Amino acid sequence: AQKVTQAQTEISVVEKEDVTLDCVYETRDTTYYLFWYKQPPSGELVFLIRRNSFDEQNEISGRYSWNFQKSTSSFNFTITASQVVDSAVYFCALWGPASGGSYIPTFGRGTSLIVHP
Amino acid sequence: DVKVTQSSRYLVKRTGEKVFLECVQDMDHENMFWYRQDPGLGLRLIYFSYDVKMKEKGDIPEGYSVSREKKERFSLILESASTNQTSMYLCASSLPLAGGGDTQYFGPGTRLTVL
Repeated sequence: AQKVTQAQTEISVVEKEDVTLDCVYETRDTTYYLFWYKQPPSGELVFLIRRNSFDEQNEISGRYSWNFQKSTSSFNFTITASQVVDSAVYFCALWGPASGGSYIPTFGRGTSLIVHP
Repeated sequence: DVKVTQSSRYLVKRTGEKVFLECVQDMDHENMFWYRQDPGLGLRLIYFSYDVKMKEKGDIPEGYSVSREKKERFSLILESASTNQTSMYLCASSLPLAGGGDTQYFGPGTRLTVL
């Protein structure tokens, strides 16, 4: 069985602070995919990034960066110089093998990020 | 633009009623998913389908069934609604991950209240 833990339920920061959202996962599979999603107050989930289990390269996209470490089973997400528009709930998800060659997702419980002006 | 639409944004039903939640996607995606989202519990997968007439149970299938007769449409059925099924229901679709699909597109959600 696969599991995703986002230990931080809520994080509150002031604009321009850097913030890291933690994600720890458990799986017995060697091939899997890790995702981050953002759910703004409007409600619709938005895909942010995907990594596969064979690619541990860190990624940076503007103010967003992701640190994937298989040794600690973690896939952490950092926002640099946070802005009010970053306020949202962020979900980490693990996709592992299922039937028919497909993959099935398991989501963490989410971290609510509040950025104050 | 990929679009995933859900038949209702808000729905109020009575205990014991049969409830149908419809989801339609317009991008010819093989995979479709139904989740429920509850405060503090994140998204939990109810069922998913990786092809027409194919379905797999997710983490919490009890009390639910699904139907996928056409590729673009995935229905979630509550055979006999109960108050503990009051929740936000999210539908999503995607291409197969192994085939290079890397984005799961979500619908706007249906907030179901069972009285």
